[in-house]
Amino acid sequence: DAGITQSPRHKVTETGTPVTLRCHQTENHRYMYWYRQDPGHGLRLIHYSYGVKDTDKGEVSDGYSVSRSKTEDFLLTLESATSSQTSVYFCAISEGGTVYDNQPQHFGDGTRLSIL
Amino acid sequence: RKEVEQDPGPFNVPEGATVAFNCTYSNSASQSFFWYRQDCRKEPKLLMSVYSSGNEDGRFTAQLNRASQYISLLIRDSKLSDSATYLCVVERGSGGFKTIFGAGTRLFVKA
Repeated sequence: DAGITQSPRHKVTETGTPVTLRCHQTENHRYMYWYRQDPGHGLRLIHYSYGVKDTDKGEVSDGYSVSRSKTEDFLLTLESATSSQTSVYFCAISEGGTVYDNQPQHFGDGTRLSIL
Repeated sequence: RKEVEQDPGPFNVPEGATVAFNCTYSNSASQSFFWYRQDCRKEPKLLMSVYSSGNEDGRFTAQLNRASQYISLLIRDSKLSDSATYLCVVERGSGGFKTIFGAGTRLFVKA
């Protein structure tokens, strides 16, 4: 299995509090991604990174920010959590990022986040 | 209309059966295709890439039909352990690099 660790694995917090999720990889892959998965929607991309300090928005980026100060770590922050952000969050990595590389993504175990 | 669509199922099949799933995509610029499986409350795991000429991995066969814009997954001799949700994934380069996941097809294999 790809060396991807997400922390925490579970978190319950209150509306309005800041929350940071961490993704750590030991594969030295260039690309890292944050997804959320909700019933009926499948996986939706929040943000992704194509290198240290290089990030871009995905389709559901509102309310989320990311940072990548080292190749191995990609942080996802909810500045002021809302109940609509209750979800399962997956981090993924890939060696290449362009469609022509045909490089699949590999996923971490996920973080179950509940916002009350 | 969603860019990647799958029949959500569930497909209920007996052990030993052959079952096939299709996944349609709407953007003709799509270039890379994959099948993932996801077990309940687990992360998606890569099952296989889908190549233009079609490819096989044991009991699993994946095919791509660019003219009709769909990919397929065939599972032969189904096992109880094949019970899972199968996600198709499409990547395209035009309009910005983008990976799109289908919502998944649920498969139950029964003894």
